[in-house]
Amino acid sequence: DAKTTQPPSMDCAEGRAANLPCNHSTISGNEYVYWYRQIHSQGPQYIIHGLKNNETNEMASLIITEDRKSSTLILPHATLRDTAVYYCIVYRPSGTYKYIFGTGTRLKVLA
Amino acid sequence: GAGVSQTPSNKVTEKGKYVELRCDPISGHTALYWYRQSLGQGPEFLIYFQGTGAADDSGLPNDRFFAVRPEGSVSTLKIQRTERGDSAVYLCASSARPGESEAFFGQGTRLTVV
Repeated sequence: DAKTTQPPSMDCAEGRAANLPCNHSTISGNEYVYWYRQIHSQGPQYIIHGLKNNETNEMASLIITEDRKSSTLILPHATLRDTAVYYCIVYRPSGTYKYIFGTGTRLKVLA
Repeated sequence: GAGVSQTPSNKVTEKGKYVELRCDPISGHTALYWYRQSLGQGPEFLIYFQGTGAADDSGLPNDRFFAVRPEGSVSTLKIQRTERGDSAVYLCASSARPGESEAFFGQGTRLTVV
């Protein structure tokens, strides 16, 4: 399973864009990049995923580099409710289909 | 129900006792996962079910841990002879079609072994 590296913590001012980086240099061609977040005392919540192309949904944007060795999750206008731990996961859609979580990035949105 | 439901939300048990944790996945979801999360750590994979069968149980820490999903919906995680080190939040997740859709997580069961 490909390993991911994320900074342990980040701060972001409310209303500004939060850019959360992730390195996944050993990712294979058929593996996806998934992002989940976990707000205190809740289960992880799906945010977005992608394979090669950049993706956008109502929650966030995902930018994947051309070589696919890194990606950035962008929350365009962070709010206090976005304070959470954000996990970047490399997911293989075959075999056992399991999600392997690292320790994530603790994002704190400041008022 | 609308989401993944886990019961109980909290469980306190004495060392050496047996516990069962229940997970009700989203209706129609064939894939079901169990994870364990210790304080300050990311969720740790325990077991994955596809339908009724355990497709991958490589994350179960030892033979005190066992999980079943007899009818392909509700799953039960069973822990025998509990130890203080088993204290953690146990998370369950389900997905409609593994590999094609995201997993939805429950709120977890906080297990405390005293």
